[in-house]
Amino acid sequence: DAGVTQSPTHLIKTRGQHVTLRCSPISGHKSVSWYQQVLGQGPQFIFQYYEKEERGRGNFPDRFSARQFPNYSSELNVNALLLGDSALYLCASISWPGGGTTNTGELFFGEGSRLTVL
Amino acid sequence: QQPVQSPQAVILREGEDAVINCSSSKALYSVHWYRQKHGEAPVFLMILLKGGEQKGHEKISASFNEKKQQSSLYLTASQLSYSGTYFCGTERSSGTYKYIFGTGTRLKVLA
Repeated sequence: DAGVTQSPTHLIKTRGQHVTLRCSPISGHKSVSWYQQVLGQGPQFIFQYYEKEERGRGNFPDRFSARQFPNYSSELNVNALLLGDSALYLCASISWPGGGTTNTGELFFGEGSRLTVL
Repeated sequence: QQPVQSPQAVILREGEDAVINCSSSKALYSVHWYRQKHGEAPVFLMILLKGGEQKGHEKISASFNEKKQQSSLYLTASQLSYSGTYFCGTERSSGTYKYIFGTGTRLKVLA
């Protein structure tokens, strides 16, 4: 089975531009979440989606938005890029071992999209 | 709000043991552990649900004490492949969902 796929793997943008990052979860997983990881730090939660609905949002400005499609793939959009947005953006596909009866899931990460803003 | 991990960094020789701790100021209902190698994505190791259970994965095990709001990761007879940064993670589900990673512990195993 294919794992979590993210695209593009690397990209360079300039300040003020817009970027769209894409994620395809593991087959059968209906939930994805997005994280920003700045070099030397741990991942920071941005969004979680389940069944195309936003279920959670981290402390990120409104320049960050996301959506999930009927096939459970997802896009993360960042507008008006700043130098500080340079980071590794990780998508995680979430498996709910309790079949949805527990609140906790296992996160399987893609390799990430490395964004550099100049 | 971010769980605090200790130690921040540790260097081991192959075959030595290590313990990584994760402490939260907020109630923990579950704890996840991940290992991230340089330039790679985090890899899920194990999940612990409240109830004080201990789980194992090869020579890596963990415990979870929800009363103390702490979890510990135990690495026994460490191997070179154990090198990386270890993160604990926890979910917050009051109202809206959030996922929070701990501060991280860099572990280096030397031959």
